[in-house]
Amino acid sequence: SQTIHQWPATLVQPVGSPLSLECTVEGTSNPNLYWYRQAAGRGLQLLFYSVGIGQISSEVPQNLSASRPQDRQFILSSKKLLLSDSGFYLCAWSVWEGASYGYTFGSGTRLTVV
Amino acid sequence: SQQGEEDPQALSIQEGENATMNCSYKTSINNLQWYRQNSGRGLVHLILIRSNEREKHSGRLRVTLDTSKKSSSLLITASRAADTASYFCATVRGGADGLTFGKGTHLIIQP
Repeated sequence: SQTIHQWPATLVQPVGSPLSLECTVEGTSNPNLYWYRQAAGRGLQLLFYSVGIGQISSEVPQNLSASRPQDRQFILSSKKLLLSDSGFYLCAWSVWEGASYGYTFGSGTRLTVV
Repeated sequence: SQQGEEDPQALSIQEGENATMNCSYKTSINNLQWYRQNSGRGLVHLILIRSNEREKHSGRLRVTLDTSKKSSSLLITASRAADTASYFCATVRGGADGLTFGKGTHLIIQP
């Protein structure tokens, strides 16, 4: 079966500290991978997406970066966190289902920068 | 950037009533999807409607799409307390460049 793992579920980090959030998928090959962020009470904003190993597209300029070292691994990083990086981060993947892409979301990581 | 705009932003109704949420978008789309998010959790896919479809049903859910008005509606019939959640529409232009979400409607079903 196809699953997506995202961890940790919650994270509290001081301003200026580094960040690494990891997302892995199982049960599929060559998925498209995505990182979204949701600020409190808001919708989801696409941060990065990747259509293959080493291929990263950035949707918004920011303090974050993403990497895809393996086919089913997507990492969100920051060298120095800002207060404004707080939010709910969701990883997702999509695969072609014949007529459109089907999307599956992870359970999310709630990041609080203090 | 966010394309969809849901209204209302918040909706509170009594259990058993029908709940209607609307979504508007700006660009041409391949399909439109509705998702549900329980407080502080991940998103659950509810229903997808393609750009050449006008209405779709799934259980107590009914989705309509009007591409001429660039709008969609989600109707939940016979609401239950467990339907309390935030509901988001998301559009797909085509390709693998992801979903574009609206800001969501927070639905509260009062028992």
